[in-house]
Amino acid sequence: IAGITQAPTSQILAAGRRMTLRCTQDMRHNAMYWYRQDLGLGLRLIHYSNTAGTTGKGEVPDGYSVSRANTDDFPLTLASAVPSQTSVYFCASSDGTSGSFEQFFGPGTRLTVL
Amino acid sequence: GQNIDQPTEMTATEGAIVQINCTYQTSGFNGLFWYQQHAGEAPTFLSYNVLDGLEEKGRFSSFLSRSKGYSYLLLKELQMKDSASYLCAVRDSNYQLIWGAGTKLIIKP
Repeated sequence: IAGITQAPTSQILAAGRRMTLRCTQDMRHNAMYWYRQDLGLGLRLIHYSNTAGTTGKGEVPDGYSVSRANTDDFPLTLASAVPSQTSVYFCASSDGTSGSFEQFFGPGTRLTVL
Repeated sequence: GQNIDQPTEMTATEGAIVQINCTYQTSGFNGLFWYQQHAGEAPTFLSYNVLDGLEEKGRFSSFLSRSKGYSYLLLKELQMKDSASYLCAVRDSNYQLIWGAGTKLIIKP
């Protein structure tokens, strides 16, 4: 693999179910991010991790949790899905958190909660 | 609060020039990014500005004025493949990106 992969590509989920969105990168980037993108709104940061073993809350963390056990993987878990979590979810990574280090994005997961 | 403003939609003609503006109010400033996002795809990096002035990269240029909280992306010699959304993002004092809602650019032949 090259870059960032996300799984699944899309998912329809019943409200109340638990769901984990997977994200893996092979660029050895230190920082990783989870965003959601909704029509008419900018990308909103859910959680981030500046390095393996650490995580932080973004702008909209409620209802979501993350872990960063190693450099490559950054899964996002919805403990009990609600319809307002219907969105496109993007995972991203960057080599650093300052300077010109841009974020590289995965292809996204389209999630529908019914 | 933090705010990034961009026009929702713009239309331009193939071969022409278009300027997409972005104004921002954020808690701190540590650089401004422009990304391109084709429909149904992930955003991809276009440019980065941290100092005032113009950065040129092929057909694309990006300008920044920190005192005015303003940036623009200039696209020259427009091609049909440039039809996409263009996202402005500012890195704030916490080194997190604050994103605008994006400008949908429609190119007509």
